[in-house]
Amino acid sequence: EVQLVESGGGLVQRGGSLRLSCAASGFTFSSYWMHWVRQAPGKGLVWVARIKSDGTYTSYADSVRGRFTISRDNAKDTVELQMNSLRVDDTAVYYCARVPVFGGLRVDLWGQGTMVTVSS
Amino acid sequence: QSVLTQPPSVSAAPGQNVTISCSGSSSNIAKNYVSWYQQLPGTAPKLLIHDNSKRPSGIPDRFSGSKSGASATLGITGLQTGDEADYYCGTWDSSLSAVVFGGGTKVTVL
Repeated sequence: EVQLVESGGGLVQRGGSLRLSCAASGFTFSSYWMHWVRQAPGKGLVWVARIKSDGTYTSYADSVRGRFTISRDNAKDTVELQMNSLRVDDTAVYYCARVPVFGGLRVDLWGQGTMVTVSS
Repeated sequence: QSVLTQPPSVSAAPGQNVTISCSGSSSNIAKNYVSWYQQLPGTAPKLLIHDNSKRPSGIPDRFSGSKSGASATLGITGLQTGDEADYYCGTWDSSLSAVVFGGGTKVTVL
C-alpha cells in the first residue's frame, strides 16, 4: 500500500526539542521531494520545509529556519524533521507530504499527521 | 494572514453548484501551477486538482479547476453532503521561495 506514516509527536516544553519521523512505503521514495506541512488547531495549512529527492537540497519557511532541520534516508525510506527551540506557536499537526519531481508543485500523498504540543 | 486569499466559507443546497476563489499575485499563481486540496473533518488533506485543472485518478468530474492571471477557481457541481469539507488552494511563490496555501474555505451543504 502506498502510504506515509508519521511518528514522534507529543508534548514538549517551550524551548525543548522533538524529532519527527515519516516512514514511506509502496512507492519509490528516492524519486520524490518530501515536505513537511503543519496545521495549528482550527487553522489552515502552513508549509514548513522540503528536501530534494537525493537529499542534496533543503529549504525552510522563515518561521522555522535556523530551528528546524529536515533530513532523509533513502536507504530506509524515511524523512525526519528535527525541531529545536520549540515555541508555543509551533503547536500543530505535522504532516509528511510527497511531491512529484515533474509537473506543477503539488502534494499527491499526505500522511495521517502527528500532533506536536508545545506548552508554556 | 495567508499569501493566497480564499473566502472563509461558501454554502449551498444539495445538487447546486459552488465556486471557490483563490487570489494571489504575480509571484505565485500568475507564474506557477495551482493545486486544490480537500480536507474532510478530522482527516488529512487530499489532492483534488493539480496543474490548475487536472484531476487525479479517482476524483469525480464534479470537481473542476481553472486559472486566469493571478487568480484560480475551484468549481463543484451537483453538491453532495459528502462534499462538506475545508478546501485549500496551494502553489509555489517564486519571490518567497516557499510553498504557499490559501487560508481555506469551509463548504457547507445546507
